[in-house]
Amino acid sequence: KNQVEQSPQSLIILEGKNCTLQCNYTVSPFSNLRWYKQDTGRGPVSLTIMTFSENTKSNGRYTATLDADTKQSSLHITASQLSDSASYICVVGSNAGNNRKLIWGLGTSLAVNP
Amino acid sequence: KAGVTQTPRYLIKTRGQQVTLSCSPISGHRSVSWYQQTPGQGLQFLFEYFSETQRNKGNFPGRFSGRQFSNSRSEMNVSTLELGDSALYLCASSLWGLADNEQFFGPGTRLTVL
Repeated sequence: KNQVEQSPQSLIILEGKNCTLQCNYTVSPFSNLRWYKQDTGRGPVSLTIMTFSENTKSNGRYTATLDADTKQSSLHITASQLSDSASYICVVGSNAGNNRKLIWGLGTSLAVNP
Repeated sequence: KAGVTQTPRYLIKTRGQQVTLSCSPISGHRSVSWYQQTPGQGLQFLFEYFSETQRNKGNFPGRFSGRQFSNSRSEMNVSTLELGDSALYLCASSLWGLADNEQFFGPGTRLTVL
């Protein structure tokens, strides 16, 4: 069964600290892996998208890693800011001929406190 | 380049009514996908339209339907509304398809069913 599992479910950190969010997936065939940031009540915004051959990608203070062998990804946030408080969602794309789909994780809720 | 727009932003309906939501994708994007998001459930995929044809469909009852016009604008219709249909409905557009390319989300339509 295709699944995307994220941990932790929620996280509280102090402003300025770093944190790492985890994503494990069992999706086949694998096409790409994406990380989204979603502020409460708004649409998700794409942070990174990685294909099988990429093992790291950065977007400002956000760095995503991908280990396709162990089917794990992480999102590292450096020097957190209050505006980083949001839900971070891991999504895996699967592309098998005419069967194209995205498998969504439930997200990690991050709260950055002053 | 203008982003994805959704109208209306907020909607209040009563049980048994029907509702139509609208989505205008980014210019040049041909794929439009619809999602339902409720607290604790994550994003649930409704359907994807590409070139006026439904290409993918999630596990939702037939009360949920959609269509896409020749200019790629899309509408989603929910008939015989139930209390459980209260949710944030998100539309996303991509160049060629949800699993192939990056998706860009609109701000969502918040539907409340009383």
